[in-house]
Amino acid sequence: AQSVSQHNHHVILSEAASLELGCNYSYGGTVNLFWYVQYPGQHLQLLLKYFSGDPLVKGIKGFEAEFIKSKFSFNLRKPSVQWSDTAEYFCAVNLYGNNRLAFGKGNQVVVIP
Amino acid sequence: KAGVTQTPRYLIKTRGQQVTLSCSPISGHRSVSWYQQTPGQGLQFLFEYFSETQRNKGNFPGRFSGRQFSNSRSEMNVSTLELGDSALYLCASSLGTGEGLNEQFFGPGTRLTVL
Repeated sequence: AQSVSQHNHHVILSEAASLELGCNYSYGGTVNLFWYVQYPGQHLQLLLKYFSGDPLVKGIKGFEAEFIKSKFSFNLRKPSVQWSDTAEYFCAVNLYGNNRLAFGKGNQVVVIP
Repeated sequence: KAGVTQTPRYLIKTRGQQVTLSCSPISGHRSVSWYQQTPGQGLQFLFEYFSETQRNKGNFPGRFSGRQFSNSRSEMNVSTLELGDSALYLCASSLGTGEGLNEQFFGPGTRLTVL
C-alpha cells in the first residue's frame, strides 16, 4: 500500500540548533512532494514543494528539503531554528496529476528559547 | 486574496444525527478536497471535487458524502454520526489543472465533536 513515513514524532530542540526531519514514501511512479506546517492554533500552511527539477528545494522561513529519488526520501532541514518554529510538520505526497494527498503522521517540534 | 474559508468552525452533535460542513475555496480555484484529521489516524483524504464532479475518493464509508456547486463552493455531509467521527475536517482548494493541480491551500477546519 502507498504510505508516507515520518519518524521521531516528538522533537525538542534549543534555539540555534539544526533541525532535520525525515520523510520516506512508498509510491510507484512520478510523485509530487510537500512539507506543510501547522503552527499552534493556525491552519496548515505550505512550507515548500517539489514537482520536478533541482532536487534541493528552498521554502519559506529558511527551510529547505532534498528529494532523493533512489531513497524515496524528502527530508526537511533548517540550519538554525527559532522559538517561532515550534509547530507540527507534515510531509505529504501525491502522484503527479492527482490531488489526493497522503500525509505522514507528523513531527511535533518544540523549540526551547 | 482571501483564503479558504470553512463554516462552521465548531460543531457539536449527538450520535445518529447528520451534519453538513461548508467550504469556500480561493477565488479561481476549481478543485476542493476534504480531509479528516484525528490524533490517532492523522490526516486522511476523504474526497475531491472538480467542476462539480467527484474526481477522487478516499476509503471512507458511504455515510460521508459531498458535493460541489457551480461557484466551486463545496459541502460535505456525514450521516448517522458515530463517536469516531469526532475530528477536525479540513478543506483544501487548488486550481485543479496543470501544475497547479497539485498545490493545495488549506482552510482553518471545522472541529466536529460527536457526543
